[in-house]
Amino acid sequence: SQTIHQWPATLVQPVGSPLSLECTVEGTSNPNLYWYRQAAGRGLQLLFYSVGIGQISSEVPQNLSASRPQDRQFILSSKKLLLSDSGFYLCAWSDQGNYGYTFGSGTRLTVV
Amino acid sequence: QKEVEQDPGPLSVPEGAIVSLNCTYSNSAFQYFMWYRQYSRKGPELLMYTYSSGNKEDGRFTAQVDKSSKYISLFIRDSQPSDSATYLCAMKSGANNLFFGTGTRLTVIP
Repeated sequence: SQTIHQWPATLVQPVGSPLSLECTVEGTSNPNLYWYRQAAGRGLQLLFYSVGIGQISSEVPQNLSASRPQDRQFILSSKKLLLSDSGFYLCAWSDQGNYGYTFGSGTRLTVV
Repeated sequence: QKEVEQDPGPLSVPEGAIVSLNCTYSNSAFQYFMWYRQYSRKGPELLMYTYSSGNKEDGRFTAQVDKSSKYISLFIRDSQPSDSATYLCAMKSGANNLFFGTGTRLTVIP
């Protein structure tokens, strides 16, 4: 069966520090991968999605970047965090032909 | 106008009540409709998945899609305290991106 792993669960980082959140998927090949941010009362905001290795589409210009170095690995990064980067970050995957997304357990990031 | 509109609530009901959650949308190209349940500090989990118009039932949950009105609903029968969560609707066309509502927070009171 397919599983998605996302870590860490919580993270407190100072302003200006770098960020690296990792997401891996098991049990499937060539998944579509997504990074979302969820803010209270604002729903899920799509940040990046990837349909294959090295293929990244950015939905919202911001202080973040994403990379997909391997088929089932998706990384969210920042060189210098801002206070506004605080939030709940979710990784998700879907099959190429499946329109339902499966989410990871999320990372709660607090920038102080 | 947002692609998907959802009343954020909060919604409080007594145990055993029938709950009705709704979303409206503006894009007539949407064909795939989903409901996700999200417990506090957890990722959303897919609850119901419907293609095009009609009803789908799974245990105590029923999803309805009315494409002519651009309106979808999730009904929960015999609600339980364990149903307390935020419910998000989501929908898409054939393109990659899934559009989410902002979520409705539901509390079922024992």
